[in-house]
Amino acid sequence: EDKVVQSPLSLVVHEGDTVTLNCSYEVTNFRSLLWYKQEKKAPTFLFMLTSSGIEKKSGRLSSILDKKELFSILNITATQTGDSAIYLCAVVEAGGTSYGKLTFGQGTILTVHP
Amino acid sequence: DTGVSQDPRHKITKRGQNVTFRCDPISEHNRLYWYRQTLGQGPEFLTYFQNEAQLEKSRLLSDRFSAERPKGSFSTLEIQRTEQGDSAMYLCASSVRQIRSPLHFGNGTRLTVT
Repeated sequence: EDKVVQSPLSLVVHEGDTVTLNCSYEVTNFRSLLWYKQEKKAPTFLFMLTSSGIEKKSGRLSSILDKKELFSILNITATQTGDSAIYLCAVVEAGGTSYGKLTFGQGTILTVHP
Repeated sequence: DTGVSQDPRHKITKRGQNVTFRCDPISEHNRLYWYRQTLGQGPEFLTYFQNEAQLEKSRLLSDRFSAERPKGSFSTLEIQRTEQGDSAMYLCASSVRQIRSPLHFGNGTRLTVT
């Protein structure tokens, strides 16, 4: 069965710190890996990664995928209190009627103190 | 607001009652997904529609659960004879049918079964 594991499960930092969130996966037929940020309600899309070694960047957030070692990291530099959220990693399997379905990890709860 | 819309936002019901939730996807999105999320966990896939066709159902979805998308637009998720274990956040997501199209989530319906 497909599996997505995130670590750490929770993290507490102070504003200005840099954090690295980890996501490892085992899927039968990998298509892509996605990162979402979830505050109170809807998960909001951050990145989609399909190729190894190509960094995706958006402001202070960046992410990279290693398809050989089956993991991804999400980096947040100069953290702010507004970065406090649950960060979810999900993978998409290729092919068949499962196309587009996300399998999520359990999430990393990030708390940024002022 | 042109995002995914879910109604109601909160539902409290007594065990044994039936409940129905509604999801209105982004208008040009032909794929629609239902997920369930419990505290401390990532969302779990329940079912998937492409237009009006329900193409996949998770084995998590017992016979008490039914979902429809009658005209390929909005969708409903009904839970019959609710149980306390059904208490969760029910998330709807939609996407277009393209290889690298991420899922866009609604704010969810939080169900509490007393």
